[in-house]
Amino acid sequence: DTGVSQNPRHKITKRGQNVTFRCDPISEHNRLYWYRQTLGQGPEFLTYFQNEAQLEKSRLLSDRFSAERPKGSFSTLEIQRTEQGDSAMYLCASRSRAGGKMNTEAFFGQGTRLTVV
Amino acid sequence: DQQVKQNSPSLSVQEGRISILNCDYTNSMFDYFLWYKKYPAEGPTFLISISSIKDKNEDGRFTVFLNKSAKHLSLHIVPSQPGDSAVYFCAASAVGGGKLIFGQGTELSVKP
Repeated sequence: DTGVSQNPRHKITKRGQNVTFRCDPISEHNRLYWYRQTLGQGPEFLTYFQNEAQLEKSRLLSDRFSAERPKGSFSTLEIQRTEQGDSAMYLCASRSRAGGKMNTEAFFGQGTRLTVV
Repeated sequence: DQQVKQNSPSLSVQEGRISILNCDYTNSMFDYFLWYKKYPAEGPTFLISISSIKDKNEDGRFTVFLNKSAKHLSLHIVPSQPGDSAVYFCAASAVGGGKLIFGQGTELSVKP
């Protein structure tokens, strides 16, 4: 297991199209996070899962965005009817409760760069 | 509402000298703090963390200091190396280990 894997690395789409990104977390990490990052800003929280349960969604997340983690392993993030403002780097991270500890580091994937034209 | 703030967008340091990156937070419920390093077109890489029950954590050239009363943390890199040039983000997590909240980042440039 080499870490968090995200696919695709790059996606160019026309405005109005739907896109889906996939994230494969580190094995046995029960928590999975999606973030969005634009130039000059820090990663912005979108949503997170503990196992298959989606525990929190950012109020900034419009109803065009949906995320799933059906079996508590990989996750998908779908954006419907993309807009130019959706252009960003989409990052996935996973985190474990090692030894019962609540606070551990999160490991990030390489990200998916989305460009909406 | 920016709960985690990095007020210096950039920092330039000479190789071999100390780099000090600062971070302030507003939420008293934060109990775990992390620093990440990011190169362009890559995901953030974890560097070092600190729990709120400590005021210092050291790992090689990297030391993180936490001042809870001032709601301030800092990352010290000694000695700085050109390979340390990157964007550094601080992040915080509240009790229960949920989402990480990130600052805006500080771009460190270490000049030979």
